[in-house]
Parts: sequence; structure tokens; C-alpha cells
Amino acid sequence: GAVVSQHPSWVICKSGTSVKIECRSLDFQATTMFWYRQFPKQSLMLMATSNEGSKATYEQGVEKDKFLINHASLTLSTLTVTSAHPEDSSFYICSARGQGVGIQETQYFGPGTRLLVL
Amino acid sequence: SQQGEEDPQALSIQEGENATMNCSYKTSINNLQWYRQNSGRGLVHLILIRSNEREKHSGRLRVTLDTSKKSSSLLITASRAADTASYFCATDPSGYSTLTFGKGTMLLVSP
Repeated sequence: GAVVSQHPSWVICKSGTSVKIECRSLDFQATTMFWYRQFPKQSLMLMATSNEGSKATYEQGVEKDKFLINHASLTLSTLTVTSAHPEDSSFYICSARGQGVGIQETQYFGPGTRLLVL
Repeated sequence: SQQGEEDPQALSIQEGENATMNCSYKTSINNLQWYRQNSGRGLVHLILIRSNEREKHSGRLRVTLDTSKKSSSLLITASRAADTASYFCATDPSGYSTLTFGKGTMLLVSP
């Protein structure tokens, strides 16, 4: 149980295009989802926290107009990287936390999406 | 900002040996969690230890927590090549808030 999927797993795009990444909780309702960014051989940096039906809370230094987050349902959150540039190339990971799923404080992570902007 | 700091940054051992990783943090916590990440993959939750607990076991994993020293350790006993991964500690200050991850320890277990 408590499986989180991400799609796509890999994306290569041209500079200036927008990329949408989906994060789904497959067998539980995710009241809260988190988006992280990870550079090679570094730790995860929290970008934003989203609660179903409300606006995402962004961490300091993260541009909300650049990284659009939508958490429209209890099983789906999307991250859209708008007008992507090479410096946006990174590994993006989502996680989900839900009610009545294992230990409530636990976040369940998706497999990640590797974005390469040319 | 980083909360947890893992030590060592990298660890190389032989199969069958034990691996110990340490994590130090700065502020008070509700719980501390350990995660594993295989190269290029998402994180897998290993174990959660609450602030009122001192030790916890799960299979070959043993986690200790010393809140007075603001530190935790993860011990993997009888390591296997499949344990090769990066291990992160993450702190949760209130039990329902966001996690703050440390920089991680890269563990290499050689056959």
C-alpha cells in the first residue's frame, strides 16, 4: 500500500517550453503533497507544499509563477515548470501524506522525474 | 535550510559488515525519519523514531535517538550489496509539518 507514482519519469525539452509533471497517490487519498528538487549528489530541497483544494505554499526562493502547482483532487497534484531553462534541469520528486495510511507523519515518495532542458 | 547533517558523507564496506550512519540536527523535533534512495530513484521510507523514543528496530535496521545531543544513528547489520544507496535523515518539528532533509550518506557495499 501507499504507492505514489510520477509521470513522466524522464523529459527532455527545449528552452522556453513548459513541462507538466504529474504526481498520483494510487491507493490512498493524499491530503497533502510535497514537491522537492534534487541536484546531483545533493539532498532534497522542498519547493512547495500543497493541500487539496487550496493554493500551494512555496518555500522561500521558489518562484510560484515559474513552478505552478495544482492539487485539484485527493489523488493528483501537478507541477508545471513554465518557460523552462537549462538551469531548471534537475530531478523533481513528489511525496504524499494521507489520512489513515500507515504512520500519518510518513511521507510516501514518487520515483522522481528527471528534467533536462536543452 | 538544512536541518539534519549526516556523517559520514560516504561509507564503503564489505558485505557482511555493519554500517553506521549518524545524523545531527539543530532544533527540537517531534520525530526523525530515515530514508533510502537508490541512484536516480525516489526515496523509500525506512523507519520513524519519535522524540520520546530512544531506540527502534526494523529487521536489520537499528535506529537510536538522543534528543539531548540532537543526534540519531542508523545501523545496518550484516550489510548486503543491495543496501548500496544514499541514506537520508529527515526531521519533523511538529509531527504534521514538512520534513527537512540532511545531505545524506552514500553507502557502498562491495560483494
